[in-house]
Amino acid sequence: AQKVTQAQTEISVVEKEDVTLDCVYETRDTTYYLFWYKQPPSGELVFLIRRNSFDEQNEISGRYSWNFQKSTSSFNFTITASQVVDSAVYFCALTLDSNYQLIWGAGTKLIIKP
Amino acid sequence: DSGVTQTPKHLITATGQRVTLRCSPRSGDLSVYWYQQSLDQGLQFLIQYYNGEERAKGNILERFSAQQFPDLHSELNLSSLELGDSALYFCASSSNRGGQADNSPLHFGNGTRLTVT
Repeated sequence: AQKVTQAQTEISVVEKEDVTLDCVYETRDTTYYLFWYKQPPSGELVFLIRRNSFDEQNEISGRYSWNFQKSTSSFNFTITASQVVDSAVYFCALTLDSNYQLIWGAGTKLIIKP
Repeated sequence: DSGVTQTPKHLITATGQRVTLRCSPRSGDLSVYWYQQSLDQGLQFLIQYYNGEERAKGNILERFSAQQFPDLHSELNLSSLELGDSALYFCASSSNRGGQADNSPLHFGNGTRLTVT
C-alpha cells in the first residue's frame, strides 16, 4: 500500500531561521511522482513542485529547496531564511504511474514568528 | 492565481438541504477533480472527471454527485446535508491527457467553504 507520512504536525520558528519539513513515502512502484503543496491561511492550495522517481537531483527555487532521496524514501523541503509569509500548512503528496489519485500526507503547519 | 474558479466562496445552509458547487477549470485542462477538506479527515479525494466522463471515484458519499459539462465546467451536488458535511470543498484541474497515468500537477481553486447548521 502507498502512504505519505509527514511526522511534524506543527513547526514554529523565528523569522530568518532555516526550516526543514520532512516527508517520507511508501510505495513498491518504481515509477511515481512526488509533490509539495502550500496552503496559506487564506485557504487556497498552491502547487510548489513535482518530482518523478527517476530524477533524484535536488531542486532549488529561490529560498525553497527540495531534497529527494530514494534510499530513505524521503522528499524533504527546506525553506532558507524563513519569512512570515511562509506561514502555511505544507502538504506532501504521492501519485503512482498506475492510478489517478494523489495520496496526501497529513500536512505540517509552519508558523514563522516575526 | 491558479486559473481555477470556484463559486460560491462561502455557503451556509441547514441540515437536509441541497447545494451545488461550481468549478471552472484552467483553460485547456480537461480533467477536473473534487476534494473535501475537513479538520478531522484532511484532504479527501471525491471524484475525477475527464472531458465529461467520470474517471475515478474516491470517498464520495451517495448523497453527493458531480458532473462535468461540455464546456468543461463541473458541478458538485450535495444533498440531504448533515452537520458533518461542513468542510472546505476544493476543485482542481490538470492537463492530464486522459491516459492511465495521472502525474500532472493539480491546480486548485480557492475552495468553497460549506457550513451546515
